[in-house]
Amino acid sequence: DTEVTQTPKHLVMGMTNKKSLKCEQHMGHRAMYWYKQKAKKPPELMFVYSYEKLSINESVPSRFSPECPNSSLLNLHLHALQPEDSALYLCASSQDGLFSGGSTGELFFGEGSRLTVL
Amino acid sequence: AQSVAQPEDQVNVAEGNPLTVKCTYSVSGNPYLFWYVQYPNRGLQFLLKYITGDNLVKGSYGFEAEFNKSQTSFHLKKPSALVSDSALYFCAVRDTRDDTIIFGKGTRLHILP
Repeated sequence: DTEVTQTPKHLVMGMTNKKSLKCEQHMGHRAMYWYKQKAKKPPELMFVYSYEKLSINESVPSRFSPECPNSSLLNLHLHALQPEDSALYLCASSQDGLFSGGSTGELFFGEGSRLTVL
Repeated sequence: AQSVAQPEDQVNVAEGNPLTVKCTYSVSGNPYLFWYVQYPNRGLQFLLKYITGDNLVKGSYGFEAEFNKSQTSFHLKKPSALVSDSALYFCAVRDTRDDTIIFGKGTRLHILP
């Protein structure tokens, strides 16, 4: 299994809703990432979990809350989002954790969850 | 600051012709360089990487990239373009400060039939 699976593929939510995005990989990868991508722009790093610990938070607003329940799962909890948060949210994983070879290898990306905030 | 630049927003190439997508980088220390491709409404897919060794790196789908240290470039190439190569291409570099990947702004490759 060489896939990163993201659910749901599409999500529409109001500004007062609470929802979650889910990401799963069964490749035994030790680092997992959340990226945000606006149309025709590069992915922007949001969070990195390395060995199941939050290692990087790129000053993301608290309305986005990451969670890593175990080494295969990564969630992104969403609450009180703004319309400008509408984007494609990409999950990725890498074989090694940060500073142990994590960025000498490739990132495996999921298909993404397209979020629309009304 | 560590960064990667893709000077072209879009590249148009006729099918069957060779293609080049340009990338230049700025890093401290030895560069770890990558190319990714993104098809519409999909995630990014890894194409190839340069860590060390031979300056010509071969990757997926017939793509290759040439590392040039003196020009700080890592251009993506393919000898004969296919219509199916039309996609968004991202050059990326490892950020040695936090061991994450920095992506360029992307270049849209349009292969004309």
